This record gives sequence, C-alpha cells and structure tokens, in this order.
Amino acid sequence: RKEVEQDPGPFNVPEGATVAFNCTYSNSASQSFFWYRQDCRKEPKLLMSVYSSGNEDGRFTAQLNRASQYISLLIRDSKLSDSATYLCGRAGNTGKLIFGQGTTLQVKP
Amino acid sequence: DGGITQSPKYLFRKEGQNVTLSCEQNLNHDAMYWYRQDPGQGLRLIYYSQIVNDFQKGDIAEGYSVSREKKESFPLTVTSAQKNPTAFYLCASSIGASSVYEQYFGPGTRLTVT
Repeated sequence: RKEVEQDPGPFNVPEGATVAFNCTYSNSASQSFFWYRQDCRKEPKLLMSVYSSGNEDGRFTAQLNRASQYISLLIRDSKLSDSATYLCGRAGNTGKLIFGQGTTLQVKP
Repeated sequence: DGGITQSPKYLFRKEGQNVTLSCEQNLNHDAMYWYRQDPGQGLRLIYYSQIVNDFQKGDIAEGYSVSREKKESFPLTVTSAQKNPTAFYLCASSIGASSVYEQYFGPGTRLTVT
C-alpha cells in the first residue's frame, strides 16, 4: 500500500456543485497534512494546512479523520477556475512531505 | 518580492551529460527540498537540506547530487547515472524542517534528456 493514496479521477462536476476528494495515508504517526492545488504544467500552490481535526477557508474545507487515516477536501459552489489537480501531502517529523498522485477536478459550465 | 526562483524553465540535454538545476530563495528559509514529478504522478523527494552545509537523501536520490553552501541556494545536479532523468523538477523551501512548516514551491524546471 502506498503511503499516501488519492483517487486520480478525473472528477467532472457542473459549476455550483459540491465535490469532495479523499486522501488516505498509512503512517499513523503522521503529524500534519497539506492540500496543494496544481494547474497544468505549473508548480503546486499551497491551498490549506491541516494540523488537527480540520480547517476551513471560504469554500474549501478539509477534514482529518485520524482513526480511519484519511483526510478529505470539500469544495462548495465549484467555479470553473477550481479546475486543477489537487495534491495531498503528509508531513513527518523532519518536514519531509510524502505526496499522493493527485486528484484531477474538471468543473464544467 | 520574496520567493523561490528556478532556472532555466526548460532544459534540454544529451544523454551522458551532467546538468545542474538552479534553485534560489530570498525568504530566509532554513530548509530546502528537491522533488521530481513524472506525468500523472505525485511529487517524489530527491534530496532535502535542513540547514546550510547539511543535506540528506530523499526517497529517490540515486543519480543526483546537491550542495548547500549558502542558505539561499540549493542546486541539484542530475548526473549521467540517473537512468530516467526526463521529468519536471521542483524546488521548495520552508521556514524549518518540521512537520508544522508549510513548503512553498518554485516554478520548476522541465528537463528533457535525449
């Protein structure tokens, strides 16, 4: 089993929809988690950091379930501009990030 | 403006040649990282440095080398020993090497080796 796993998708949703992705991890000692957004052929940009049970920023909500070892990202009221690949990263004590392969979201008009 | 710069954006090399990718940051960050991304894949850690004059191997260090002589610079050399060097290379930095610190990425260098 990979250390961090994501469903690659693509998730195709209409504008205005609510969509959620999950990211599962295998190391129960994982400290922190990060969601990054990556546009095609660009660098990842930090979307959200999760240190405890979750975090919320506008239309984006991250929930961490340590018992089941997964973290989710919920996007409400999807916009066309939300179309991107979303990378989940797990950080250990040394700050090393282990990434999932990413989930691709396509928001359609 | 504070940030991370990588140069060049695109790099083409012949097989058998070593090539060095540049990464510079003016964020005063202690920790710096090199990742590799292949099409449809997540990022994999090549090397990281927690402080000047110190660095550690990541998960896929074979065929790569780094140096950290200055806080703001962390160049990566892709040697001829790297079997599949064509990839998107991303440099990142964070305030410190701890799980609580966020990593910020440079714009990346696309390396093509033929």
